[in-house]
Amino acid sequence: AQSVTQLGSHVSVSEGALVLLRCNYSSSVPPYLFWYVQYPNQGLQLLLKYTSAATLVKGINGFEAEFKKSETSFHLTKPSAHMSDAAEYFCAVSTSGTYKYIFGTGTRLKV
Amino acid sequence: EAGVVQSPRYKIIEKKQPVAFWCNPISGHNTLYWYLQNLGQGPELLIRYENEEAVDDSQLPKDRFSAERLKGVDSTLKIQPAELGDSAVYLCASSFGLGTGETDTQYFGPGTRLTVL
Repeated sequence: AQSVTQLGSHVSVSEGALVLLRCNYSSSVPPYLFWYVQYPNQGLQLLLKYTSAATLVKGINGFEAEFKKSETSFHLTKPSAHMSDAAEYFCAVSTSGTYKYIFGTGTRLKV
Repeated sequence: EAGVVQSPRYKIIEKKQPVAFWCNPISGHNTLYWYLQNLGQGPELLIRYENEEAVDDSQLPKDRFSAERLKGVDSTLKIQPAELGDSAVYLCASSFGLGTGETDTQYFGPGTRLTVL
């Protein structure tokens, strides 16, 4: 069975500070991992995805995430936060050959 | 390219009333998903369609929820009768479908926020 844990339901940073949103996964097979962002009253927008190619994945809006198999982590980072980054962020896990996404409970970022 | 379209964006109804949500997926996407998102939670899958076939409706409460995708394009999700606990955001997503040779990335619509009074 797969699962995702997002540590910290709320994260607050100052503008210009480093953003670090944590995601740990559990999967018995090689995972595909995703980060989505959800702005107020909007749907989920794909930020980036890991598909077993490069372990460091660059996404939109200056975000990136690094897949660390040894730590079963896929943390999302951005060097310098902007006020427009305030939103809720969801990590999700899937596996090859399936459609099922398992989402974490989300982290609300305040800038 | 147009994204996933959903309507209405907001709906307020009284309990025991019926309600319907509509979704139009991205052109060319064969797979369509309906998700339920409760406040403070991640989305949870209700039903998945491959073209017009519902291939996974195991999480759909069939006593009051129904869905259809008659022509394999747009889809409707219905609740009848609605209960107070149905207040949530209903998200529609679409993807190309498996067999494309790559990860089947899902693209989400803006959702319908349902409030049941």
